[in-house]
Amino acid sequence: DIVMAQTPLSLSVAPGQPASISCKSSQSLLHSDGKTYLYWYLQKPGQAPKLLIYEVSTRFFGVPDRFSGSGSGADFTLKISRVEAEDVGIYYCMQSIQHQTFGQGTRLDI
Amino acid sequence: QAQLVQSGAEVKKPGASVKISCKTSGFTFTLYAMHWVRQAPGQRLEWMGWINGGNGYTKYSQNFQDRVTMTRDTSASTGYMELSSLKSEDTAVYYCVREPLGPLGYCRSTNCPLDYWGQGTLVTVSS
Repeated sequence: DIVMAQTPLSLSVAPGQPASISCKSSQSLLHSDGKTYLYWYLQKPGQAPKLLIYEVSTRFFGVPDRFSGSGSGADFTLKISRVEAEDVGIYYCMQSIQHQTFGQGTRLDI
Repeated sequence: QAQLVQSGAEVKKPGASVKISCKTSGFTFTLYAMHWVRQAPGQRLEWMGWINGGNGYTKYSQNFQDRVTMTRDTSASTGYMELSSLKSEDTAVYYCVREPLGPLGYCRSTNCPLDYWGQGTLVTVSS
């Protein structure tokens, strides 16, 4: 199985400040079709995860543009340009090039 | 708007089976796959398998291959996940999750995101 490793596991950020989460996979997520299947989810307290970003950098419907994804191969980053109170929760990266596996999650507090 | 509504919490004894339903609305069920993902306390999200809403094809994680069965009822736009031979380690929140059978709509790939999630079903396994 592809192992996904996130860092840090937790971070505390003041409102209006930026935040960055790293996700590294045990092998490249670049598919033979030329796309890279790396996703980001946010699980707010007491809720199911919600899709933020797919294929490394495309924001899902309704996701604010303060969220951005980048990276390639096996090294990816989620950035929040200016953290807001509603961004609190656990962020997960996920790969789907070989079934689906998730990172261990990064808890964001304000 | 896509909605996935799961059945309620369950308490089971070790060795028993549990069957969870996931009723969908707001989209054409047969154009999507339904995945099942679980989250045990303090553990990362774990993918269990998926079923093609159109043709019923299933693929299970090797971790659950011998104990899980995923089915669907297209007339009811509902998917089901049954897990047998329950152990205390199966105590978790179980989620159904939709995936477009791409390319479809916003997804321009054959490998689409797990986009909308059910609210989760807590299964507690305890003697």
